[in-house]
Amino acid sequence: KAGVTQTPRYLIKTRGQQVTLSCSPISGHRSVSWYQQTPGQGLQFLFEYFSETQRNKGNFPGRFSGRQFSNSRSEMNVSTLELGDSALYLCASSPGATGNTGELFFGEGSRLTVL
Amino acid sequence: DAKTTQPPSMDCAEGRAANLPCNHSTISGNEYVYWYRQIHSQGPQYIIHGLKNNETNEMASLIITEDRKSSTLILPHATLRDTAVYYCIVRVDGTRAQKLVFGQGTRLTINP
Repeated sequence: KAGVTQTPRYLIKTRGQQVTLSCSPISGHRSVSWYQQTPGQGLQFLFEYFSETQRNKGNFPGRFSGRQFSNSRSEMNVSTLELGDSALYLCASSPGATGNTGELFFGEGSRLTVL
Repeated sequence: DAKTTQPPSMDCAEGRAANLPCNHSTISGNEYVYWYRQIHSQGPQYIIHGLKNNETNEMASLIITEDRKSSTLILPHATLRDTAVYYCIVRVDGTRAQKLVFGQGTRLTINP
């Protein structure tokens, strides 16, 4: 079974631009979570989507948004990029049903550099 | 979710058992202990989890103290490929929302 796929793997943007990252979860998984990883703050939860609805949200500004499609694929968008948004963005999937465990399956991440 | 405390770094010789400690003194009765690891530039990988009993799988063993205030992840025969940052996380299972709160973890270096 294919794992979590994230695209693009690497990208470079300049301040003020916007970026869209994509995540395809494991087949059959309906929950997709996004995390930001920086050297200073470590791994931080951004948001989670389940059945096209945002189910949980971390403490990030409104410039960070996401959505989930009917096939469970998810995208996250960051608008008006700042230098501090340079990070590894990780997507994780899980079955997502009530009673699930904390076993998440992470992708390899999208490394964003903002110049 | 309860906070966890881990040593920032540890070293272990290849072929020996690596014992990674984690303190979670404020853990609640319904919170599970999870371990993940992250090899450089890759996404975190689930290792094992448990509630109160010791657990073992093909990757590791998890020993949880009787009072549940601390736990130890054991890699029985460490290899160079086990060099990674190891995260200990506590969370409530069975809820709808999926969220993991990662601390700084322990950077484990396996030496030849």
